[in-house]
Amino acid sequence: AQSVTQLGSHVSVSEGALVLLRCNYSSSVPPYLFWYVQYPNQGLQLLLKYTSAATLVKGINGFEAEFKKSETSFHLTKPSAHMSDAAEYFCAVRKNTGFQKLVFGTGTRLLVSP
Amino acid sequence: DAGVTQSPTHLIKTRGQQVTLRCSPKSGHDTVSWYQQALGQGPQFIFQYYEEEERQRGNFPDRFSGHQFPNYSSELNVNALLLGDSALYLCASSLDGVVAGNTIYFGEGSWLTVV
Repeated sequence: AQSVTQLGSHVSVSEGALVLLRCNYSSSVPPYLFWYVQYPNQGLQLLLKYTSAATLVKGINGFEAEFKKSETSFHLTKPSAHMSDAAEYFCAVRKNTGFQKLVFGTGTRLLVSP
Repeated sequence: DAGVTQSPTHLIKTRGQQVTLRCSPKSGHDTVSWYQQALGQGPQFIFQYYEEEERQRGNFPDRFSGHQFPNYSSELNVNALLLGDSALYLCASSLDGVVAGNTIYFGEGSWLTVV
């Protein structure tokens, strides 16, 4: 079975500050890992994905994440927050074989203050 | 190229009623999955359709059923609605298989409120 834990339901940063959103996963097989962003009243948009190639993954809007097998982590970072980054962020895991079911974490709401 | 489209965007139903939600996958995609996202929660997998058959199901009762048509579009049906069925229902499409480049794309969702 697979699962994802996102530490912190809310994270507050100032504009220009470092963004760090934490995600730890559990998987019995090598995983694929994803970060999705959800803006208010919208669906999910893929930010980036890890699919067993490079462990440091760069995504859209200046976000990146590093897969660390020893720590079972896939934390999302951005060097400098922008007001437009305020949204809900979801980490998700799926197996690298078989069906494409995604298992999501409970989400982290990023608040950006001026 | 249109992405994943869902309809309706919002709807209100009464307890005990039935609802049908519709999804058109991204062009070229043959696999459709449905997710339920309750307020303040992450999306939960309901089921997946491929070649017009349900091939994987999450922990949802039989009141939740679906269908996939030859053009790969899909419907989600929920019978005997409960207040707890109020949620955002997301449709996701992809190409079959788990090739690394296969990204799962989500629609904007259908907001269902049960009163």
